[in-house]
Amino acid sequence: GQNIDQPTEMTATEGAIVQINCTYQTSGFNGLFWYQQHAGEAPTFLSYNVLDGLEEKGRFSSFLSRSQGYSYLLLKELQMKDSASYLCAVVDSGAGSYQLTFGKGTKLSVIP
Amino acid sequence: DAGVIQSPRHEVTEMGQEVTLRCKPISGHNSLFWYRQTMMRGLELLIYFNNNVPIDDSGMPEDRFSAKMPNASFSTLKIQPSEPRDSAVYFCASSLGGTHSNQPQHFGDGTRLSIL
Repeated sequence: GQNIDQPTEMTATEGAIVQINCTYQTSGFNGLFWYQQHAGEAPTFLSYNVLDGLEEKGRFSSFLSRSQGYSYLLLKELQMKDSASYLCAVVDSGAGSYQLTFGKGTKLSVIP
Repeated sequence: DAGVIQSPRHEVTEMGQEVTLRCKPISGHNSLFWYRQTMMRGLELLIYFNNNVPIDDSGMPEDRFSAKMPNASFSTLKIQPSEPRDSAVYFCASSLGGTHSNQPQHFGDGTRLSIL
């Protein structure tokens, strides 16, 4: 099975930087996704990491350390529209088939 | 490009009734996923199809739930009989690529299901 942990809620100020952490346990790691989900809407893809290191995409960056079972999503120059839930999802192929499991998400509130 | 299309957007029905949720994946995508999302349990994978074939249905809660994918452009998730605890948002998603894919999933807008 898998265990994915994220903080339940975070609050940050407009213009600031925030880091959302995700830790996981898998039997056969095969990649990690970050999704953004605004209230009442569908999740949308943000990033994918399969190798160690930092992937940068505009104001958003995602980091992965496979040895530590750890990832984070970094949001810079926060805007009010960044208020949303951020879901970490891990691909596990340890059982011989594709398994994508989502964490419960981190609800980020951006305040003025 | 049209995204994943789900219907209905909202469904309110009485317990014991049959509920059918529908999904049209993005054209050309060969993997389709059904999820259920609740506050308590988050986003849970119910079943996924690859090339119209069910690959893993271990997330389907019980025999009251069934899913079909008769062709590459249509899938249904059926609950019969429905119960109040089935109330949730049900998402359908599709992606390009089969198992071990690094391709992101594209989600539909979801069906908000309320069982009274």
